Amino acid sequence: DAGVTQSPTHLIKTRGQQVTLRCSPISGHKSVSWYQQVLGQGPQFIFQYYEKEERGRGNFPDRFSARQFPNYSSELNVNALLLGDSALYLCASSFDRAMGTDTQYFGPGTRLTVL
Amino acid sequence: QQQVKQSPQSLIVQKGGISIINCAYENTAFDYFPWYQQFPGKGPALLIAIRPDVSEKKEGRFTISFNKSAKQFSLHIMDSQPGDSATYFCAASRQEAGGTSYGKLTFGQGTILTVHP
Repeated sequence: DAGVTQSPTHLIKTRGQQVTLRCSPISGHKSVSWYQQVLGQGPQFIFQYYEKEERGRGNFPDRFSARQFPNYSSELNVNALLLGDSALYLCASSFDRAMGTDTQYFGPGTRLTVL
Repeated sequence: QQQVKQSPQSLIVQKGGISIINCAYENTAFDYFPWYQQFPGKGPALLIAIRPDVSEKKEGRFTISFNKSAKQFSLHIMDSQPGDSATYFCAASRQEAGGTSYGKLTFGQGTILTVHP
């Protein structure tokens, strides 16, 4: 089975632009979470979506938004890009806890560079 | 507020040695503690996880030790191999309202492990 997939792999934008990152979860997974990983640090939680509803939001400005589609894929949007938004953006998917497993499976990430 | 503190930042071990990475957490509501391994250019991959109802969990060469009263947990890698060279992250989470999955992980800062041949 395919793992979590993310696109694009790399992205270069300039300050003030907008970016959309995409994630496809593992088949059967209903929960998608987004994380930002700045070089040399641990991932920081941005959003969790479950069954197309936002279930959690981290300490990120309103420039960050996300949504989940009926097929459970997800998009992360970042508006008015700042230099500090340069990071690896990770998507993770997982089952509903009622299914008996809590493991979050991460995709390879999208490397965003803001110039 | 940094809720999970990880140490050391970097660790160098000889092949066959034991690698030990420590984490401490603050939020007593955490009830799920995974360790992730990350290679350059890759996303984190789950190594092993533990819940606070047990004090130790072993899977192959990897062992988690958990001390609930001290709010600390650690990863031990036995017989460390050069292929284990990677960045290791501890994390913590709690069941969110509504019984959904543990979708919000709080990560430590990471430990860069280098295993010399």
